[in-house]
Amino acid sequence: AQTVTQSQPEMSVQEAETVTLSCTYDTSESDYYLFWYKQPPSRQMILVIRQEAYKQQNATENRFSVNFQKAAKSFSLKISDSQLGDAAMYFCAYRRGDNNNDMRFGAGTRLTVKP
Amino acid sequence: NAGVTQTPKFQVLKTGQSMTLQCAQDMNHEYMSWYRQDPGMGLRLIHYSVGAGITDQGEVPNGYNVSRSTTEDFPLRLLSAAPSQTSVYFCASSLGGFQETQYFGPGTRLLVL
Repeated sequence: AQTVTQSQPEMSVQEAETVTLSCTYDTSESDYYLFWYKQPPSRQMILVIRQEAYKQQNATENRFSVNFQKAAKSFSLKISDSQLGDAAMYFCAYRRGDNNNDMRFGAGTRLTVKP
Repeated sequence: NAGVTQTPKFQVLKTGQSMTLQCAQDMNHEYMSWYRQDPGMGLRLIHYSVGAGITDQGEVPNGYNVSRSTTEDFPLRLLSAAPSQTSVYFCASSLGGFQETQYFGPGTRLLVL
């Protein structure tokens, strides 16, 4: 079974600084998707960024970017110019390309932003 | 446009009781799914639906039933609640599969005594 591992239960960053959250995954597939979701205290899950495995170019969304290393099965999230509103739980997720019922989430990283 | 709505927000059940968690979306999304979130773990997929009349099991389906009679609604039924089902439940929808952006509801916190 595919697994998603987030090795950092908690991280903190100073406002305006940059932080990187780590994610590794285990798969034997070549076709899959990777995601980072944000869960603020309101508990609602919000998609931050998505990466298709077949794309070599790293996805970016404004201050959020990923470092996708397919051979190493690594998918880290970089948050630049951190803001107080970035404080949340961040979940890394994997979805196999051809399998609707195989959607896996990591255990999450709690990010604290210090003013 | 309300997005994905879930009711109730919080529920306490006794072991053996049954109940239905409601989920509705007004975005005309074909895909809908139910997840549970437990402390120290990521979300786990319970059941999902690829359209009205079509449902399938996810990673942890035991103890739960679903149906999809309309595009908008996707209720989750607990047949006989157990303390192991104490969790936060999230409903999500997407236009076309899990590879697309999933829109999550606010969650239902369930406590089974």
